[in-house]
Amino acid sequence: GESVGLHLPTLSVQEGDNSIINCAYSNSASDYFIWYKQESGKGPQFIIDIRSNMDKRQGQRVTVLLNKTVKHLSLQIAATQPGDSAVYFCAETPNTGGFKTIFGAGTRLFVKA
Amino acid sequence: GAVVSQHPSWVICKSGTSVKIECRSLDFQATTMFWYRQFPKQSLMLMATSNEGSKATYEQGVEKDKFLINHASLTLSTLTVTSAHPEDSSFYICSANLRFTDTQYFGPGTRLTVL
Repeated sequence: GESVGLHLPTLSVQEGDNSIINCAYSNSASDYFIWYKQESGKGPQFIIDIRSNMDKRQGQRVTVLLNKTVKHLSLQIAATQPGDSAVYFCAETPNTGGFKTIFGAGTRLFVKA
Repeated sequence: GAVVSQHPSWVICKSGTSVKIECRSLDFQATTMFWYRQFPKQSLMLMATSNEGSKATYEQGVEKDKFLINHASLTLSTLTVTSAHPEDSSFYICSANLRFTDTQYFGPGTRLTVL
């Protein structure tokens, strides 16, 4: 079955600090990974992606790290801002064709001003 | 670019009625669209994959006769919740892939409340 989170873990950080959000993925056949940000009542918003032939990718204020050995993905947000408060989901796309995406459980990020 | 819209953004209906939700890719063609359901404080759960011109592929446990999907063109997919019941109340989100790529763009979601 697909990943469905029953309770969202929460990360609370001070404004200006760095945030690290972790995710364990399930399918060793996945070759494409994406982080999404979802604000209340809205659809997911693409943040950054990484393919399985890489272990690190940087964007503006965000970095994604991929450890295929332990099937672990992390999202680092530098200098976290109040506008970063949202739920963050990792997602994986198995290389079985069809571009199907499976979402992880999600982490709620609270940024304290 | 790469905008996906959904209509309506919210809908309230009586139990037993059917509700249609539209998903449109506004500025690109999408051979594949996906439908997700999200309950409060939970993750997105994939319901089905909608391919233009062919039957949708449903995930295990999703009733195809209850959630009818039609993908009539490269820019439009519709999800019809038939004989809706209160337990169908949820946030329904669609996404569309840029043609022949794995880049997905998500719609803003539709909040369905069944009384």
